[in-house]
Amino acid sequence: GAVVSQHPSRVICKSGTSVKIECRSLDFQATTMFWYRQFPKQSLMLMATSNEGSKATYEQGVEKDKFLINHASLTLSTLTVTSAHPEDSSFYICSASNVNNYGYTFGSGTRLTVV
Amino acid sequence: AQTVTQSQPEMSVQEAETVTLSCTYDTSESDYYLFWYKQPPSRQMILVIRQEAYKQQNATENRFSVNFQKAAKSFSLKISDSQLGDAAMYFCAYRIRRDDKIIFGKGTRLHILP
Repeated sequence: GAVVSQHPSRVICKSGTSVKIECRSLDFQATTMFWYRQFPKQSLMLMATSNEGSKATYEQGVEKDKFLINHASLTLSTLTVTSAHPEDSSFYICSASNVNNYGYTFGSGTRLTVV
Repeated sequence: AQTVTQSQPEMSVQEAETVTLSCTYDTSESDYYLFWYKQPPSRQMILVIRQEAYKQQNATENRFSVNFQKAAKSFSLKISDSQLGDAAMYFCAYRIRRDDKIIFGKGTRLHILP
């Protein structure tokens, strides 16, 4: 149980275009989901907290107009990278709050490459 | 500020041996959770073990156990009978009960030597 599906696993896009990443909780309801960014050989950096039915809460330094988060249902949160630039290339990971283990269940991540 | 410190960027251990990964944290809270996550080359984050701060007994999951020293704010992970599949990045993490956020340490890369 407690599976989080994240798609796509890899995406390559051109500069200036937008990319949407989906995060779904498959067998549980997640009122709260989280989006992280991970640079090579570094830790996870929390970008924003996504709450179902309300606006996301962004961490300091994260551009909310660039990284649009939508959490329209209890099982789906999306992260849209708008007007992507090469510096947005990174590994993005979502996670969902799982009441069963007080921690979180993570998606498998999305490797975004902007060319 | 709440911080999690992993002082060992990399460690190596011989297969079948035991290794301990260190983690310290700084908090003024009394009710919180501590976690160790594993991130193998696939980059999937996997929960290894968790500890509730109010529990004095150290958590154990098969070959994985922790040494939780609340007063010292220390939370080390011991891996017994190390296996090649244990090779991964290990992150220590912390979460206060009344908040949703998890704070991660910078990680320790563990190499298993055959």
